[in-house]
Amino acid sequence: GAVVSQHPSWVICKSGTSVKIECRSLDFQATTMFWYRQFPKQSLMLMATSNEGSKATYEQGVEKDKFLINHASLTLSTLTVTSAHPEDSSFYICSARLTSANYEQYFGPGTRLTVT
Amino acid sequence: GQQLNQSPQSMFIQEGEDVSMNCTSSSIFNTWLWYKQDPGEGPVLLIALYKAGELTSNGRLTAQFGITRKDSFLNISASIPSDVGIYFCAGRGIGTASKLTFGTGTRLQVTL
Repeated sequence: GAVVSQHPSWVICKSGTSVKIECRSLDFQATTMFWYRQFPKQSLMLMATSNEGSKATYEQGVEKDKFLINHASLTLSTLTVTSAHPEDSSFYICSARLTSANYEQYFGPGTRLTVT
Repeated sequence: GQQLNQSPQSMFIQEGEDVSMNCTSSSIFNTWLWYKQDPGEGPVLLIALYKAGELTSNGRLTAQFGITRKDSFLNISASIPSDVGIYFCAGRGIGTASKLTFGTGTRLQVTL
């Protein structure tokens, strides 16, 4: 149980275009999902907290107009990188938190974004 | 954002050896989690700890929630090649709305 999927697993896009990444909790409902960014050989850095039915909460320094988050259902959150630039190239990982038990967080497999 | 200090940063060990790593914080946490991340993959939850002093095992892995609530330890016994990866600790403060704070990671490499 507690499986989280992400799509796509990797994407290459041209500078100036937008890219949407989907995060799904496959076997549980998640009112809260999280989006992280990870650079090579570094730890995970939280970008934003996605709450079902409400606006996402962004961490300091993360541009909310650039990284659009939508959490329209209890099993799906999306991250859209708008007007992507090469410096947005990174590994994006989502996580979904159980709404019961001990509120453990489970992570998706990640999406490798390369902006050319 | 805040990160937890993990040590060692990396380690090379031989197959069959035991491994120990730890995570320290200046803040108190109510939950400690240990994750393993393989290259190009997302982190996988290994062990979750919820009480100070708690000792929990998952196969060859054993983790402990420090008494001070500011540290946690992970031990791997009789390491095997598939243990290779990056191990992250993560702490969560008081309240279910608290976010996870991640450690800096320990890169483990196992030689035959």
